[in-house]
Amino acid sequence: GQQLNQSPQSMFIQEGEDVSMNCTSSSIFNTWLWYKQEPGEGPVLLIALYKAGELTSNGRLTAQFGITRKDSFLNISASIPSDVGIYFCAGRWSGGGADGLTFGKGTHLIIQP
Amino acid sequence: DARVTQTPRHKVTEMGQEVTMRCQPILGHNTVFWYRQTMMQGLELLAYFRNRAPLDDSGMPKDRFSAEMPDATLATLKIQPSEPRDSAVYFCASGFKETQYFGPGTRLLVL
Repeated sequence: GQQLNQSPQSMFIQEGEDVSMNCTSSSIFNTWLWYKQEPGEGPVLLIALYKAGELTSNGRLTAQFGITRKDSFLNISASIPSDVGIYFCAGRWSGGGADGLTFGKGTHLIIQP
Repeated sequence: DARVTQTPRHKVTEMGQEVTMRCQPILGHNTVFWYRQTMMQGLELLAYFRNRAPLDDSGMPKDRFSAEMPDATLATLKIQPSEPRDSAVYFCASGFKETQYFGPGTRLLVL
């Protein structure tokens, strides 16, 4: 199956700092989604991207669908303690018939007050 | 807020026992997915349905796993017989068109 490379694996930052993480794929994806998962819960959808070059914001979060359709990034500005969690990118491969998502391995975000 | 619900939230069982996990998708969503999450493999798609019809179960071990959707408000995932390697968190997600919304998961431990 398709694989997504998500980086970094983990981030230790100070409260107030900006955060940037990204996902890359060797294949073209036609949808990119960003999820956040907190302990004991399921992933929660943050941002959905549907077109190459699309830039979408959700509060302090901004995500972009790469022009090549093989990458996406998520930025968090002015991080706060409740941003702690695991952030997953997910994509739907354009060459496949399935609707299921391929997930990255996640970026663990840890914030020091 | 409409949410995907899953039961049970936690399950501890012994090897060889049958396990049944249930999911109620968000009303109006026409696709339902089952995922498994482990530390080693991350999130993996097991099976999914569209309009209650199974479309893809290639990610599921066929000999012991089965997924069904007896009606639009219920999806089930069964493991029989269960094995210790099945220990994981199982998520149900429902969606409409491009997006998917996840339930809280069933944490399964097979001893």
